[in-house]
Amino acid sequence: GAGVSQSPRYKVAKRGQDVALRCDPISGHVSLFWYQQALGQGPEFLTYFQNEAQLDKSGLPSDRFFAERPEGSVSTLKIQRTQQEDSAVYLCASRLVAGGPNTGELFFGEGSRLTVL
Amino acid sequence: AQKVTQAQTEISVVEKEDVTLDCVYETRDTTYYLFWYKQPPSGELVFLIRRNSFDEQNEISGRYSWNFQKSTSSFNFTITASQVVDSAVYFCALRGSTLGRLYFGRGTQLTVWP
Repeated sequence: GAGVSQSPRYKVAKRGQDVALRCDPISGHVSLFWYQQALGQGPEFLTYFQNEAQLDKSGLPSDRFFAERPEGSVSTLKIQRTQQEDSAVYLCASRLVAGGPNTGELFFGEGSRLTVL
Repeated sequence: AQKVTQAQTEISVVEKEDVTLDCVYETRDTTYYLFWYKQPPSGELVFLIRRNSFDEQNEISGRYSWNFQKSTSSFNFTITASQVVDSAVYFCALRGSTLGRLYFGRGTQLTVWP
């Protein structure tokens, strides 16, 4: 597709359930980011991939959060044993190149809204 | 540490008014980049502009203009002759030298009334 695609758009989970959120970046984009956006807040960085390598996972809030991008394209963010504080919009973004001054812009998907009851 | 502050939580204006959204940033990096994104109700963040720290020239794009001042660590965004379609949440963001992660402010909800 032309843009970053995320699924599901909406997910309701009971506390303790595991969830998986999918991101299809723009084809050929090397860099992929996950952000978490709580209600009324700005996006907060979770993790970053360059191709299949996870170069920065310092933003993951706990070991219940896990992300992967095994073939350097589609990425999945998994949250185990969900808790109410995990309720947020999870945004995926991709960029054509990896780094340097002219890295191009981040293109964001519409996000996956997770509600944990 | 990297930090972006958007002190204005909400702004309401009437169509055709000019409006300025404030952004103040903190960074110890000598090279950094500043961004503005627009987030309409659909949720997707739409890129508006990127500014390099070594280029303080102000920029105008149609009804949008940006004022970058390193002396005050500010990167303000002005919409001239606002329109209802400008209603959205606007985020200012900072990227330093670390692998490209963006640090976002809390956003300013702009509502333009007809």
